[in-house]
Amino acid sequence: GEDVEQSLFLSVREGDSSVINCTYTDSSSTYLYWYKQEPGAGLQLLTYIFSNMDMKQDQRLTVLLNKKDKHLSLRIADTQTGDSAIYFCAESGSSASKIIFGSGTRLSIRP
Amino acid sequence: NAGVMQNPRHLVRRRGQEARLRCSPMKGHSHVYWYRQLPEEGLKFMVYLQKENIIDESGMPKERFSAEFPKEGPSILRIQQVVRGDSAAYFCASSPSRDRSYEQYFGPGTRLTVT
Repeated sequence: GEDVEQSLFLSVREGDSSVINCTYTDSSSTYLYWYKQEPGAGLQLLTYIFSNMDMKQDQRLTVLLNKKDKHLSLRIADTQTGDSAIYFCAESGSSASKIIFGSGTRLSIRP
Repeated sequence: NAGVMQNPRHLVRRRGQEARLRCSPMKGHSHVYWYRQLPEEGLKFMVYLQKENIIDESGMPKERFSAEFPKEGPSILRIQQVVRGDSAAYFCASSPSRDRSYEQYFGPGTRLTVT
């Protein structure tokens, strides 16, 4: 079945870049997403990428997609304390209605 | 422009009671999705509804769980005879149309605790 895997924790120094990695198994994935969840809050859609793209940039965020290896990454440039959160990688098929989430990567920032 | 609203934010129920969770989609959105998040896990899809219509309920447990989205009023996720394993955060999302299901905006969630 469909599965999305990501590492559980990442710690970076303030001002450095953070790179969060994710792999997925569904070769028919059409949309791939990154969501951010702050403590006690809902999910905020950070960005999404279509499977026919290999890169998307939005201000400090860069998403890279390697469709052959089914690998997705999120790079956050100049990481700030406000970036501390859990980041979820997710994917969906062409209908997009059912989104499959990974277990989340907890990003912590050290001074 | 209000986002997706869910209430209550926190709900405590004893085993065997019923839980009713409400979700009001964003203004102009007619498609609603329910997800469940167990502690330390990602979200799991439960059900997708359009007004007065269940589109996909492939993630709903076979018993005790039901969902509706009436013509008027919020979407309701109903859990009958709750058990400890139902303790989780339940999130609702909405999208403007089926074609734009990739744009799901999430509410703040309802945290259900079963004692």
